[in-house]
Amino acid sequence: QKEVEQNSGPLSVPEGAIASLNCTYSDRGSQSFFWYRQYSGKSPELIMSIYSNGDKEDGRFTAQLNKASQYVSLLIRDSQPSDSATYLCAFNAGNMLTFGGGTRLMVKP
Amino acid sequence: EPEVTQTPSHQVTQMGQEVILRCVPISNHLYFYWYRQILGQKVEFLVSFYNNEISEKSEIFDDQFSVERPDGSNFTLKIRSTKLEDSAMYFCASGSEYEQYFGPGTRLTVT
Repeated sequence: QKEVEQNSGPLSVPEGAIASLNCTYSDRGSQSFFWYRQYSGKSPELIMSIYSNGDKEDGRFTAQLNKASQYVSLLIRDSQPSDSATYLCAFNAGNMLTFGGGTRLMVKP
Repeated sequence: EPEVTQTPSHQVTQMGQEVILRCVPISNHLYFYWYRQILGQKVEFLVSFYNNEISEKSEIFDDQFSVERPDGSNFTLKIRSTKLEDSAMYFCASGSEYEQYFGPGTRLTVT
């Protein structure tokens, strides 16, 4: 069974701080990893994709991938109240996404 | 910016009835997907569709479910005889074989 594990949270950070979200996955063959943001009652929105080991930066977001440890993380710098949402980690195996349960992030003004 | 669209936004149906959920994928995308999310639970893969045929399907996608691309723009999910446990948000997605972009979803309520 291919699985993605995430701490459900909530993770509470003050405005302007760095939020660090973590995810582990079970499928060693996975090559593609994604972070989606989901606001309550809305659909998942793709915010980052990462395919190779190391860091990938896009604006305030940095994704980190360590395939040997089967670990993916997302850092959000200068967190804003509008970043308050559930962050879903997913990997693509065989043309389908497997999602974790998500980590709820709360950014307090 | 192009978006995936879905209709209706909310569908209420009685147990045993057939429903069709509709999606218009982003126009230059070649891969199409359906996912569902039961309230408070994970997003679950149902089916992927490429080159006019199903490329992957999950255990959830049994004989009660079918997908179709009836024309060049629409992609539909049919549930033949709905059950109470089919109540969920159904998301259509389109994209490449790597990145997938989700539509706003259809909330299906089976009573």
